[in-house]
This record gives sequence, structure tokens and C-alpha cells, in this order.
Amino acid sequence: DQQVKQNSPSLSVQEGRISILNCDYTNSMFDYFLWYKKYPAEGPTFLISISSIKDKNEDGRFTVFLNKSAKHLSLHIVPSQPGDSAVYFCAASGTRAQKLVFGQGTRLTINP
Amino acid sequence: KAGVTQTPRYLIKTRGQQVTLSCSPISGHRSVSWYQQTPGQGLQFLFEYFSETQRNKGNFPGRFSGRQFSNSRSEMNVSTLELGDSALYLCASSLVASTSTNEKLFFGSGTQLSVL
Repeated sequence: DQQVKQNSPSLSVQEGRISILNCDYTNSMFDYFLWYKKYPAEGPTFLISISSIKDKNEDGRFTVFLNKSAKHLSLHIVPSQPGDSAVYFCAASGTRAQKLVFGQGTRLTINP
Repeated sequence: KAGVTQTPRYLIKTRGQQVTLSCSPISGHRSVSWYQQTPGQGLQFLFEYFSETQRNKGNFPGRFSGRQFSNSRSEMNVSTLELGDSALYLCASSLVASTSTNEKLFFGSGTQLSVL
């Protein structure tokens, strides 16, 4: 039962353009959402998060949007840079969720 | 401040053997979670330990077990290895339980296990 889904295994974007990574969830009890970034041979690192009381959170080039009614969140990266090439995982949790649940990941490639 | 340390980085085992992986959390962190990463499956939750007690467990067979010591260091053991156990095993630490409001996980670099 995949409660958090990232339906795009990979995404390729030109440098300077916007990258949009999507994530869907099924558990309505989730109320906190995070994005992690992972480079090869390294562990995931925290990127940005959003609470369910908000619909948008911004941190520099990174913005996360949350649509609770659609159970959908997205990560926007503007402008995209070569160093953004990595695997991005979305994750969700809630006070009753008992664990942090991750999606399958999306491999983002930024082309120069 | 040192990050999360996992040892060893790489392991090669054969079917039927057992393996023990080690994780040292960030100093002061009391929660350690273990995840299995395989291509296409993302990060699958194995278990979480908090103050030496298993707080939660994922949907893995009993061959997967773990423990946490009084200094918060954690070990994960897999017995009777199968080919499908080949994966990257990630450990993450957090100050308090991972599902606490706004809590973030800090990951180690992982142990890459290959079962032949």
C-alpha cells in the first residue's frame, strides 16, 4: 500500500528553467510534508517542508505547494541549476501516522 | 558536530548468511530509524528506536531485527539473507520521535549490501 506516490521516476529540465516535481498521498491523516534530496553515495538531506495549515512554503529557489483537497504536493525549483541534479523524495507524516512515509523518488537531471 | 555514521559502507554476503549493520546517531539525538532503499521502491521503513525501545516497525519479515543501546547507537541485523535483501540500508537520527511535529530526519550515507 503506497501511501505516498511519486509517479514520475525521472525528469529532465534545461538549466535556468523551472523544475516541478509532483507527489500524491492517500492518507488524509498526514499533516506534515517534507522533501529530501539525495546525491549518489550520500544519504538524503532535508530540503524543505510544509505543514497542512499552509498551502505554500518558500525557501530561496525552492517552493513547496500543498493542495489538501487533491492530496497533492509539488516542489518547484526556479531557476534550475546543474547542482540540483539528484533524486528527490517526498515524505509525509502525522501525529497518528506513527512513521515518516516516503515516496519512490524522482531523479531530476538538469541539462546545461 | 559529527553527522550520522554508518558502518560498513559496503558489504558483500552470500545467501543464508547473516549481517549486522551499525549506526551512530548525531550526538544528543535519541531516535534512530532504519530504511531500506531499492530502485523503484523508494525508502521503505524498517523500524524506529527511541530511548532503547522499538517504537514502530514496518512490514518486513522477522529476519530483520534491530536494537538500540544506551548511548543511542543502533544496530540492524538481517538473518538468513536472500537475494532480494540487496539494497542500500539507511539510518536516520532525530532529536525526538520522527513523527513529532516538524521533526526532521538526518540520514547517514548508508550501507550498500549485496547478496550473492
